[in-house]
Amino acid sequence: QSVLTQPPSVSAAPGQRVTISCSGSSSNIGNNYVSWYQQFPGTAPKLLIYENNKRPSGIPDRFSGSKSGTSATLGITGLQTGDEADYYCGTWDSSLSALFGGGTKLTVL
Amino acid sequence: QVQLQESGPGLVKPSETLSLTCSVSGGSISGYYWTWIRQAAGKGLEWIGRIYSSGTTNYNPSLKSRVTVSVDTSKNQFSLKLTSMTAADTAMYYCARMGMGRWFDPWGQGTLVTVSS
Repeated sequence: QSVLTQPPSVSAAPGQRVTISCSGSSSNIGNNYVSWYQQFPGTAPKLLIYENNKRPSGIPDRFSGSKSGTSATLGITGLQTGDEADYYCGTWDSSLSALFGGGTKLTVL
Repeated sequence: QVQLQESGPGLVKPSETLSLTCSVSGGSISGYYWTWIRQAAGKGLEWIGRIYSSGTTNYNPSLKSRVTVSVDTSKNQFSLKLTSMTAADTAMYYCARMGMGRWFDPWGQGTLVTVSS
């Protein structure tokens, strides 16, 4: 069971907007940056959002991140079938270790 | 563009030690943290540990007693040793660079390690 809590699955229709939450505590999210990763089956995770709300080069602005207190949210607008993947949040902990959420499977209906 | 490539045995016997190496190309290993992350089939990501190019390490508390991460700057490589392997350690093992904000990018393609006699 992950220290960071994510919904196991979310779904939405093409073109719509979806959000994925990531809940932690003051020892992790509350005092550290949050990053988000996208993983397609059989491939390595890919950095989607770093330092709460920054997008690496090449990541479309349909993807956004935010953080408030001990929770973070990944938003995806203009959903495409190609966005179907697993999404993970990550952060640092006061125990000097990295943490990941349990992952959220996005289904584009 | 930095690229990472994991290498090592795909099959390890129970109680033995896993040794994996991550080769870094397209950039220097110096001045960064480098990390190991694993993922059991159908499960989420689990952070194993990290090493700075100077040799400073941090490990997942749940694995700390069994893990050693080392770095060889002359070869632009870093390595993972995980002792006393059990079936529960069967997973895809990834290496990745760790950014200042403690994000992971890029990642290696991963190497599947199976623990079986």
